Amino acid sequence: DIQMTQSPSSLSASVGDRVTITCRASQGISSWLAWYQQKPEKAPKSLIYAASSLQAGVPSRFSGSGSGTDFTLTITSLQPEDFATYYCQQYNSYPLTFGGGTKVEIK
Amino acid sequence: EVQLVESGGGLVQPGGSLRLSCSASGFTFSTYTMHWVRQAPGKGLEYVSAISTNGGSTYYADSVKGRFTISRDNSKNTLYLQMSSLRTEDTAVYYCVKEVDYWGQGTLVTVSS
Repeated sequence: DIQMTQSPSSLSASVGDRVTITCRASQGISSWLAWYQQKPEKAPKSLIYAASSLQAGVPSRFSGSGSGTDFTLTITSLQPEDFATYYCQQYNSYPLTFGGGTKVEIK
Repeated sequence: EVQLVESGGGLVQPGGSLRLSCSASGFTFSTYTMHWVRQAPGKGLEYVSAISTNGGSTYYADSVKGRFTISRDNSKNTLYLQMSSLRTEDTAVYYCVKEVDYWGQGTLVTVSS
């Protein structure tokens, strides 16, 4: 199985801050990586697929980069509605494993 | 608009069975691989199972292999997850997922005596 390691597991930030979350795969996954946002008691929402492609309707302050084993989700100018938990997922091979999540909290 | 609506969750005793359903609309269901993902209370996301477009290929996580069966009825635009020999550690919200984009709202399965 491919292990996905996210860091940090949590962070505190202020509105307007630039936030970066990293995800590392235990083996190469090309660009087969997705990012999700989950708010409490809600289903995850897809933000990015193919490592860097923004899903329709997702604000442009979200961006993704990387390929192979190292990936990054960046939120420029954090907004109040962005406080949530973020997960990466590889879909290169089964099982389609998830990272452990990064909780973004208000500083 | 893509919609995925899960149903069938509830309280079941250890060793019991339950069948989850996911009704899909707003897209051509028969042309997409579908997935089940679960989330135990306060925990992260765990991949459970997948099924190919025509149902000919399936995948199961080791934790559910031999106990869960995924299936689909493309004529009814519906995805299923038959769960048997349920354990307390299967307690979770179960999500139906289309590819890597749309998720249903989830259905809670509680395994407890």
